[in-house]
Amino acid sequence: DVKVTQSSRYLVKRTGEKVFLECVQDMDHENMFWYRQDPGLGLRLIYFSYDVKMKEKGDIPEGYSVSREKKERFSLILESASTNQTSMYLCASSQGGPETQYFGPGTRLLVL
Amino acid sequence: QKEVEQNSGPLSVPEGAIASLNCTYSDRGSQSFFWYRQYSGKSPELIMFIYSNGDKEDGRFTAQLNKASQYVSLLIRDSQPSDSATYLCAVNIRNQGGKLIFGQGTELSVKP
Repeated sequence: DVKVTQSSRYLVKRTGEKVFLECVQDMDHENMFWYRQDPGLGLRLIYFSYDVKMKEKGDIPEGYSVSREKKERFSLILESASTNQTSMYLCASSQGGPETQYFGPGTRLLVL
Repeated sequence: QKEVEQNSGPLSVPEGAIASLNCTYSDRGSQSFFWYRQYSGKSPELIMFIYSNGDKEDGRFTAQLNKASQYVSLLIRDSQPSDSATYLCAVNIRNQGGKLIFGQGTELSVKP
């Protein structure tokens, strides 16, 4: 089975802190994605990557950056956390088309 | 206009009935369509995908696609209380790789 893991299930941070959310997949997938999910808004794509050291902006990249130094790991960085970044963050990976996209368990982030 | 739209619900059906979940999309370049199920507090899991006009059946689930009307639906036959979840519709647009655009989800409640 594909396994996508995220470093934390719950995280509480202060406004202005730098926050790292880590995602690791164990199936040698090329594609990795970061989404946030908010009530009434569904999943929105923040950043994605089709290869190591490659990244592309999604629909809401402002306030975020990413890093993909190794194929299996995709990190989301909040440079200076703000309260409007309180959300559920979901990482996903896929190989080829989106019919193989699997999600991690999610990180619920609260920024105070 | 949102790119992918779903009624947020909640949609309530009695056990054993057919649940019908609907989704419309705005981009005629959309080429593949996905239904994810998300239980409360969990991450989305893929249940079906469809590429061609018509119906695609998998057990109690049927996906229906009408590209002319830009409409995709999911039917759940013999609904069970365990089907109670939020159902997310997602669309992959031609030439955008594995990127998915999600609707906001429809909450389904199946009453015993």
